[in-house]
Amino acid sequence: DQQVKQNSPSLSVQEGRISILNCDYTNSMFDYFLWYKKYPAEGPTFLISISSIKDKNEDGRFTVFLNKSAKHLSLHIVPSQPGDSAVYFCAADSGTYKYIFGTGTRLKVLA
Amino acid sequence: AAGVIQSPRHLIKEKRETATLKCYPIPRHDTVYWYQQGPGQDPQFLISFYEKMQSDKGSIPDRFSAQQFSDYHSELNMSSLELGDSALYFCASSDGLAGSGANVLTFGAGSRLTVL
Repeated sequence: DQQVKQNSPSLSVQEGRISILNCDYTNSMFDYFLWYKKYPAEGPTFLISISSIKDKNEDGRFTVFLNKSAKHLSLHIVPSQPGDSAVYFCAADSGTYKYIFGTGTRLKVLA
Repeated sequence: AAGVIQSPRHLIKEKRETATLKCYPIPRHDTVYWYQQGPGQDPQFLISFYEKMQSDKGSIPDRFSAQQFSDYHSELNMSSLELGDSALYFCASSDGLAGSGANVLTFGAGSRLTVL
């Protein structure tokens, strides 16, 4: 049973536009949510996180929004750049220090 | 900056053989995690170690074992390999279980195991 879901396996966005990646979860006990970016032949790289007590966290071009009532979070990338093309994983941490990952969304930013 | 080092990067084995993957965490990181990512799947947590003791266990088969050594590096041992064990195995490290805030893991590049 998938506790963290990324329902869009892929997304294509024009350079300079906004990329929105979505993630849904089922377990209301999750304390933190994280986004990781993965390039081919590399391990996942931490991008941004958000605590369950917040509804927004911003870091440069990256903003994560959390809607606890809907058990939904999203990552916004503005403006999107070709170097952002990668697989993005949403992960949830229930405080046990092990992540539960979503299946990933492959983002392609078109020049 | 030093990252998490995994070896080997690629490994090919036959069914019923054994394999050992190694992970060298970031210096001063005392917690190591192992994840398995099958083709087209999300990374699945296998096991973690904190200060050389197993701290948590996930979906790790009984055929697999792991340990963390005094220098904090970790090894994942896999025996009686099956075709379904073919996957990318990631190791990650962090600076401990204590503290507030998100526990950000730093991942290695992964070891790709192919079982023929």
